[in-house]
Amino acid sequence: AQSVSQHNHHVILSEAASLELGCNYSYGGTVNLFWYVQYPGQHLQLLLKYFSGDPLVKGIKGFEAEFIKSKFSFNLRKPSVQWSDTAEYFCAVNVGNQGGKLIFGQGTELSVKP
Amino acid sequence: DAGVIQSPRHEVTEMGQEVTLRCKPISGHDYLFWYRQTMMRGLELLIYFNNNVPIDDSGMPEDRFSAKMPNASFSTLKIQPSEPRDSAVYFCASRPHQGYTGTDTEAFFGQGTRLTVV
Repeated sequence: AQSVSQHNHHVILSEAASLELGCNYSYGGTVNLFWYVQYPGQHLQLLLKYFSGDPLVKGIKGFEAEFIKSKFSFNLRKPSVQWSDTAEYFCAVNVGNQGGKLIFGQGTELSVKP
Repeated sequence: DAGVIQSPRHEVTEMGQEVTLRCKPISGHDYLFWYRQTMMRGLELLIYFNNNVPIDDSGMPEDRFSAKMPNASFSTLKIQPSEPRDSAVYFCASRPHQGYTGTDTEAFFGQGTRLTVV
């Protein structure tokens, strides 16, 4: 079965530190990849998405992610985090031949200290 | 569009009672998803519909859970009887029609229903 793994459960950083959150998926075919963010007490919102083309995808609020097909990875990065980035981050995969099935990783909680 | 609308936002019920969660997807979206979020399991896909038809309900934990989508603008998730371990935040999400290569857009989430079973 397809799955999504996020290796970091909880990351604590100071403001201005660089961020990289890992995401790996298990499926050998066509996939669409997403990162969502969930601020405390709120619903999930899209940060960025990859469907095809340039494997380096830029999203909102200075986030970016790189799709590396050979590693089945889609890591999220931000050069300099802010306190307002404190949230939970979810990687998700939509498997091309699964008729729209969207699978999420366990999530990574990011705490940014001011 | 007002986005995906879920009701109620909070539900507290006693063990053994029936609970019904409601979702109104974004108009024109063909797919509707129900997810459950807990600390232990993260975000689990329970069931999803395409054009009102259930496509995959393999994530529904037990027969106590059932979901329906009687029309394109309404879906329910029912738990009967409810148990304390059902306490979680339940999210509904919708997305437009998926193209041949799946290159359409992302899913849009509702605000969630926080269910507490005591």
